[in-house]
Amino acid sequence: GENVEQHPSTLSVQEGDSAVIKCTYSDSASNYFPWYKQELGKRPQLIIDIRSNVGEKKDQRIAVTLNKTAKHFSLHITETQPEDSAVYFCAATTLNTGTASKLTFGTGTRLQVTL
Amino acid sequence: KAGVTQTPRYLIKTRGQQVTLSCSPISGHRSVSWYQQTPGQGLQFLFEYFSETQRNKGNFPGRFSGRQFSNSRSEMNVSTLELGDSALYLCASSLGQGGGYTFGSGTRLTVV
Repeated sequence: GENVEQHPSTLSVQEGDSAVIKCTYSDSASNYFPWYKQELGKRPQLIIDIRSNVGEKKDQRIAVTLNKTAKHFSLHITETQPEDSAVYFCAATTLNTGTASKLTFGTGTRLQVTL
Repeated sequence: KAGVTQTPRYLIKTRGQQVTLSCSPISGHRSVSWYQQTPGQGLQFLFEYFSETQRNKGNFPGRFSGRQFSNSRSEMNVSTLELGDSALYLCASSLGQGGGYTFGSGTRLTVV
């Protein structure tokens, strides 16, 4: 089955700096890679996702890159703010039309943005 | 548009008891999946239902079971509870073919 590794497990950056979280996956059939942000005591929330037919996607201060050959994808947060502090999870799955899929999650990265 | 609703939010049970958790997906979503979240193991996949059929199952013992009804609402059952079952149980719904999984707020189960 799919295995997703995520690094680093903790990351501390100063406000305004950039943060990068990296994930690798094992199943070459995986074609959908979402990122979730989970604040303390709250549900994981989808912040950005990327499909295997594109190499990069950006949404304001957040971007995700995908390297299918190397089987890794990364989350980039620029101009970090204190409200970016949370645990971030990457995930991978194979989407097939009309069928169900399961998300395999990385182990999470605790991001702390300091003033 | 209502989000994913999980009930109850909190639950305290005794070892050996059984528990049923409920998840109502976003209207129109046919896929419901369940995850167990613990500090040590992270987010672990339990099972997924699509149109009332279990399509995928994770590596959990048979004490963990679930079902999905014709209105896409799903229930998860854990029998003979063990202390190690204490966790946050999350469900996520999606259209089933386009990704975009949305999570509910979870049920925090404590087994004493």
